[in-house]
Amino acid sequence: SAVISQKPSRDICQRGTSLTIQCQVDSQVTMMFWYRQQPGQSLTLIATANQGSEATYESGFVIDKFPISRPNLTFSTLTVSNMSPEDSSIYLCSVTDPRTSTDTQYFGPGTRLTVL
Amino acid sequence: GENVEQHPSTLSVQEGDSAVIKCTYSDSASNYFPWYKQELGKGPQLIIDIRSNVGEKKDQRIAVTLNKTAKHFSLHITETQPEDSAVYFCAARRTGYSTLTFGKGTMLLVSP
Repeated sequence: SAVISQKPSRDICQRGTSLTIQCQVDSQVTMMFWYRQQPGQSLTLIATANQGSEATYESGFVIDKFPISRPNLTFSTLTVSNMSPEDSSIYLCSVTDPRTSTDTQYFGPGTRLTVL
Repeated sequence: GENVEQHPSTLSVQEGDSAVIKCTYSDSASNYFPWYKQELGKGPQLIIDIRSNVGEKKDQRIAVTLNKTAKHFSLHITETQPEDSAVYFCAARRTGYSTLTFGKGTMLLVSP
């Protein structure tokens, strides 16, 4: 299965600032996803990032707040902009691995963000 | 869109007992149903999945059953161990879509 790493693993930030989260995969993957998991809650999809095209955002999430880059088939970044305490969450990168199955979705370890 | 309901929200069992977590889905076009285990401080880990052309799948102490008619699927863990303690999420994906819809999660606590 795909091995996914995220940086940073955690951070504490001041309101009004921005944080960029990196996601690195050990193999080329077509589909990359960014999720948010608020404390004690389930996973909510922010956007789908495909290489060579604009990210597709889910309802309630906008590009100005969560800009995403996907420069190649193994890397993506998510920026949380102009942060407020409500942005305190775990942010998870996820991929489907064509080497195994286009259905199977794997998750990274997450980035734990606290906004003061 | 798809809606996935998961029950119970918390489940406490004694070591060695069985645990069952149930999910229902709303979209009859859904055809892929994975289960994830999330330990404290970690990302979700895929533990088992099932597709709509199969009624049951087993992997050692873990099994998943699917009832397409009733639109529900269940995770069964036998001979539970303390290391099974975690939050478990079910999910569903609709045919032709790339995204998963998750249930709200079940916190499983296995007491020694």
